[in-house]
Amino acid sequence: EDKVVQSPLSLVVHEGDTVTLNCSYEVTNFRSLLWYKQEKKAPTFLFMLTSSGIEKKSGRLSSILDKKELFSILNITATQTGDSAIYLCAVYPGNQFYFGTGTSLTVIP
Amino acid sequence: NAGVMQNPRHLVRRRGQEARLRCSPMKGHSHVYWYRQLPEEGLKFMVYLQKENIIDESGMPKERFSAEFPKEGPSILRIQQVVRGDSAAYFCASSPREFQPQHFGDGTRLSIL
Repeated sequence: EDKVVQSPLSLVVHEGDTVTLNCSYEVTNFRSLLWYKQEKKAPTFLFMLTSSGIEKKSGRLSSILDKKELFSILNITATQTGDSAIYLCAVYPGNQFYFGTGTSLTVIP
Repeated sequence: NAGVMQNPRHLVRRRGQEARLRCSPMKGHSHVYWYRQLPEEGLKFMVYLQKENIIDESGMPKERFSAEFPKEGPSILRIQQVVRGDSAAYFCASSPREFQPQHFGDGTRLSIL
């Protein structure tokens, strides 16, 4: 059965800290991995990764994929309170997206 | 440029009633996905539709649940004879093509009394 596992389940850090969120997967016919940020409402798209070793970067957020070891990481540097959210990882093997349960990040001032 | 629109935002039903959840995808998007999210859990895929076609409904219970995406109008997720266990947030997402990132609506929170 295809599955996506995220760790840690939750994380509490102070503003300014750097965090690394993990996503490992087991799917057949991997096509892409996506990261989303979910605050109170709709998940918002962050990154889509299809190739190993190529870092995607947007401001303080960056992500990279390792297709050999079947995982991805999401890094957030110089965290701010506005980064507090649930970060979701999803894997697309074709036809449907499989989501992990997410990592709940809390950034305290 | 409106995003994915879901309505209602909150829906309260009594056990045995029907619930209809609507989703209008982003302009230009012909692929629609429905997900269910329970507290402390991730998004669970339910069904994937393109215009007038169900592509994959493997995540949707075979009884009481149905979905459609007609040629005109929004996609509808219909739950008949609701039970307490149907209480959840139901999210709709759309994409312009297969294999493209999805854009999510704000969800419909369904509560069953």
